[in-house]
Amino acid sequence: KAGVTQTPRYLIKTRGQQVTLSCSPISGHRSVSWYQQTPGQGLQFLFEYFSETQRNKGNFPGRFSGRQFSNSRSEMNVSTLELGDSALYLCASSSSATGDRSGYTFGSGTRLTVV
Amino acid sequence: AQSVTQLDSHVSVSEGTPVLLRCNYSSSYSPSLFWYVQHPNKGLQLLLKYTSAATLVKGINGFEAEFKKSETSFHLTKPSAHMSDAAEYFCVVSGTDSWGKLQFGAGTQVVVTP
Repeated sequence: KAGVTQTPRYLIKTRGQQVTLSCSPISGHRSVSWYQQTPGQGLQFLFEYFSETQRNKGNFPGRFSGRQFSNSRSEMNVSTLELGDSALYLCASSSSATGDRSGYTFGSGTRLTVV
Repeated sequence: AQSVTQLDSHVSVSEGTPVLLRCNYSSSYSPSLFWYVQHPNKGLQLLLKYTSAATLVKGINGFEAEFKKSETSFHLTKPSAHMSDAAEYFCVVSGTDSWGKLQFGAGTQVVVTP
């Protein structure tokens, strides 16, 4: 079956702009999580959605937001982009309501470059 | 609270020799533990997971890990390294009702020399 699909794969944006990233989970997976990966900070948790509800959120400013649709697809939005937002953004999905027992399947990520 | 420490930031091995990647965890309750691998410009691939069943866990591509509660460790091993094992490896901990929040180690970069 198809894996986790993230689009687009690459993005270049200018400071001050906003961006929307998309994630389609594995069919039947209702939990979708987002992570930011940078060389300096490593992998950091952004937020998690389950059945269209945000259940958990990491320590990121309000410029970072997300949502989940009824078909479990998720989007994350970053407004007023800063140079420090340049990163690989990874999405993960899980079949479990808690996720910890079944593990998470990650997408290939979206590489965002802010110039 | 839970955390994970990967004891080596870089490991260099020769092809055909054993690989050992060390990971210690901290958790106030019985955690779930995972090892993920990331090849350059790729996403994360699950190698194996421990979820309180057998303490010796076998994963894909010949990797295995042993959960040792007394030592709070979850080291990853492979008997014989292959060139394709060159990648970054992450030890990850997750707790009950973590709701998507995985705690990642800083990663271990593995270099395999011919």
